Amino acid sequence: QVQLQESGPGLVKPSQTLSLTCNVSGVSVSNAMHSWGWIRQPAGKGLEWIGRIFTSGATNYNPSLKSRVSISLDAPKNQFSLHLNSMTATDTAVYYCARVPVGAAFDSWGQGTLVTVSS
Amino acid sequence: DIQMTQSPSTLSASVGDRVTITCRASQIVSSWLAWYQQRPGKAPQLLISKASTLERGVPSRFSGSGSGTEFTLTISSLQPDDVATYYCQQYLSYPWTFGQGAKVEI
Repeated sequence: QVQLQESGPGLVKPSQTLSLTCNVSGVSVSNAMHSWGWIRQPAGKGLEWIGRIFTSGATNYNPSLKSRVSISLDAPKNQFSLHLNSMTATDTAVYYCARVPVGAAFDSWGQGTLVTVSS
Repeated sequence: DIQMTQSPSTLSASVGDRVTITCRASQIVSSWLAWYQQRPGKAPQLLISKASTLERGVPSRFSGSGSGTEFTLTISSLQPDDVATYYCQQYLSYPWTFGQGAKVEI
């Protein structure tokens, strides 16, 4: 059974870069049938897709974040990461990592991690 | 971007009621539409993909229908465990977008 777990700082200062890691177990991140994505949710609000990465390393990003975001894959560690720079208070949210079977929707999610942007 | 609009935003129903949530897309998304359930304080869980395909382990009282721009999620007999916010999501074109959510209360 696939399991995903986010890790990273809970507090980030304005203008800094957020780095989150999603540790995957139960399936290889190199499995070409899957891609891996990030979604965020500000408190009391809806879900926003951030982006995803394929096993080839190809990526797709939300244009609203494209200039600030990058997603990478670390196959030996079976994990993938999110980097979001120039953080502001509007980036405060719960960040989720998820598996996306190719051609399908987010079928497995991490529990989420709260990231607060504050000095 | 494709805008996803759900209605109602909140609904209150009784145990055993039939509940229907609608999701409308601003452009045709064919059947590339998913429904998620998010219980308070938890991560979303995929209920339905391809507009009408029930995910493994999801109770059969949940069903999805529609194609093109209009979709519905139906709970045939509402249970206490179904108290949650439900989101639709299109995955036809980037950026993938979600509806604003529909909160179901008892």
